[in-house]
Amino acid sequence: DIVLTQSPGTLSLSPGERATLSCRASQSIANNYLAWYQQKPGQAPRLLIYGASKRATGIPDRFSGSGSGTEFTLTVSRLEPEDFAVYYCQQFGSSPRITFGPGTKVDI
Amino acid sequence: QVHLQESGPGLVKPSETLSLTCTLSGGSISGYFWSWIRQPPGKGLEWIGYIYSSGSTNLNLPFQSRVIMSVESPQNQFSLKLTSVTAADTAVYYCARGGVGDRSLDSWGRGTLVTVSS
Repeated sequence: DIVLTQSPGTLSLSPGERATLSCRASQSIANNYLAWYQQKPGQAPRLLIYGASKRATGIPDRFSGSGSGTEFTLTVSRLEPEDFAVYYCQQFGSSPRITFGPGTKVDI
Repeated sequence: QVHLQESGPGLVKPSETLSLTCTLSGGSISGYFWSWIRQPPGKGLEWIGYIYSSGSTNLNLPFQSRVIMSVESPQNQFSLKLTSVTAADTAVYYCARGGVGDRSLDSWGRGTLVTVSS
């Protein structure tokens, strides 16, 4: 089974700063089928990045994804107040077909 | 614009069956994978499984013996049944759409809280 590990668990930053979130997989993720989601309190997750580096529709360009194999990164170049949330990575591949990481909370 | 809405009882008794329906508007069931994901209060996301528009399913191992999924294309709906529930099944349940490629979940319902309690 592929296990996703996210670090850090919590990231304390200020508006305007750069956020770098890590997602590590226990096995190589084929085809870079790695996505990132943002979840705010009381809301459903929102797709930010798919295919490791492709921004989803309507996602601002301050969000970027990179990486391959087992190491992936989500970067928020300059944090806006609305970016403070929990971020999850998710892989699609072998069993289980879909797995989520435990999440990284970005707070002020 | 695709909109998903979960519906079903908010309270289920232990040992009974949790039944939820997701209704799609603004799009078609055809050609997509339709997932159920849950989130216990204060915890992370757990994928339950998905059903393709043709009716084929893929379920996460912990749920394989307890979950039935179905799709009703003419009604633009798909459903989840989780049997023999316990308090550990208390969670917000989301339905979501995944594409043919990487199954990234690009549209989500708002989620519905299901509490298992007598």
